[in-house]
Amino acid sequence: SYVLTQPPSVSVAPGKTARITCGGNNIGSKSVHWYQQKPGQAPVLVIYYDGARPSGIPERFSGSNSGNTATLTISRVEAGDEADYYCQVWDSTSDHVFGTGTKVTVL
Amino acid sequence: QGQLVQSGAEVKKPGASVKVSCKASGYTFTHYPMHWVRQAPGQRLQWMGWINGGNGNTKYSQKFQGRVTITRDTSASTAYMELSSLRSEDTAVYYCARGEPTVTNDAFDLWGQGTMVTVSS
Repeated sequence: SYVLTQPPSVSVAPGKTARITCGGNNIGSKSVHWYQQKPGQAPVLVIYYDGARPSGIPERFSGSNSGNTATLTISRVEAGDEADYYCQVWDSTSDHVFGTGTKVTVL
Repeated sequence: QGQLVQSGAEVKKPGASVKVSCKASGYTFTHYPMHWVRQAPGQRLQWMGWINGGNGNTKYSQKFQGRVTITRDTSASTAYMELSSLRSEDTAVYYCARGEPTVTNDAFDLWGQGTMVTVSS
């Protein structure tokens, strides 16, 4: 089965940049989607197809994908960005797969 | 843009079944697939399966094959997920999520609020 690995936590000061990685075998050949989930709430799509932003998502959120690592970048981090973030891909043998999740803490 | 509203929390005994509903509004239900995703306490999201809103075709995760059934009622713009032979490990929040038409690697752009299912004797 296809496995996506994320760091358990990332800490960042307000106004700085947070980078959340998602590792998978040759993930650069797949399309990666990213979700933000705040406590007690449903996930929200923040990046799709590696780097596209849904309407209403700030330009501070961006994504990239190459080789064995996809990255979600949050620029000029705000307190409201504190949440869990999950990457997701579709794989022909595993169907839809989510990453292990990363808790972003704003210091 | 759309909205998905799910049925309320459930408490079930081991071995029982649970059926969760997901009512769609604000978009054409039959034009989009509906996925079901669950999240056990403190755990990652886990995809369970999906249904084609138009023709009703389904596909299930191998992990749940044989225990999960996803159906839809187009007249009510509602999708359903039924999970049988419940065990304590099935205690989780269950979400419905709208996918994209005609693609397999779709993103889930609209989510229900979640339904807590507790399995306890």
